[in-house]
Amino acid sequence: EVQLVESGGGLIQPGGSLRLSCAASGFTVSSNYMSWVRQAPGKGLEWVSVIYSGGSTYYADSVKGRFTISRDNSKNTLYLQMNSLRAEDTAVYYCASDVALGYWGQGTLVTVSS
Amino acid sequence: DIQMTQSPSSLSASVGDRVTITCRASQGIRNDLGWYQQKPGKAPKRLIYAASSLQSGVPSRFSGSGSGTEFTLTISSLQPEDFATYYCLQHNSYPRYTFGQGTKLEIK
Repeated sequence: EVQLVESGGGLIQPGGSLRLSCAASGFTVSSNYMSWVRQAPGKGLEWVSVIYSGGSTYYADSVKGRFTISRDNSKNTLYLQMNSLRAEDTAVYYCASDVALGYWGQGTLVTVSS
Repeated sequence: DIQMTQSPSSLSASVGDRVTITCRASQGIRNDLGWYQQKPGKAPKRLIYAASSLQSGVPSRFSGSGSGTEFTLTISSLQPEDFATYYCLQHNSYPRYTFGQGTKLEIK
């Protein structure tokens, strides 16, 4: 059974950094396209970043240069390093697997506030 | 970038009603579209993939159709557990995925 479990969210001041994790089971992270999607409070879904099975990475314009997606194959885990955080980055962050975002984790809340 | 225009943004309906939600793409996306259901405080759950294929375990009252630029999600007979927010997602132009704005389905 495919399972994705996010962690690492919390309250962080503007300008700070946070690293989110997404632990996968039931499949191999390195063999799949893995994405991060976020949802600001009361808003819709926004794609944030993807890492391809070959290692290529892509970002939404809103986070480019500040966020970095990566994976640890030995831990079968996906990460999102978030730097220079802004109030508008406040959201629930979900990881999702495969090119068509078929499986999702339960999400982790990031709140950027002073 | 491909834009997805979803309509309506909200919809009131009764148990047993047939409802249809539409997504239009700003350019052709073949059948690279999925439909998701999201309940408050929960992660989105995929209902339909490849525009018309039913995700395993999803009730058959849900169906999807369309190709190219116009797509629909139909619920043939609303059940109480179907009241939720629905999103479409295009993945034709990956790596840049685009979601529709969402449709909140409420009880009349």
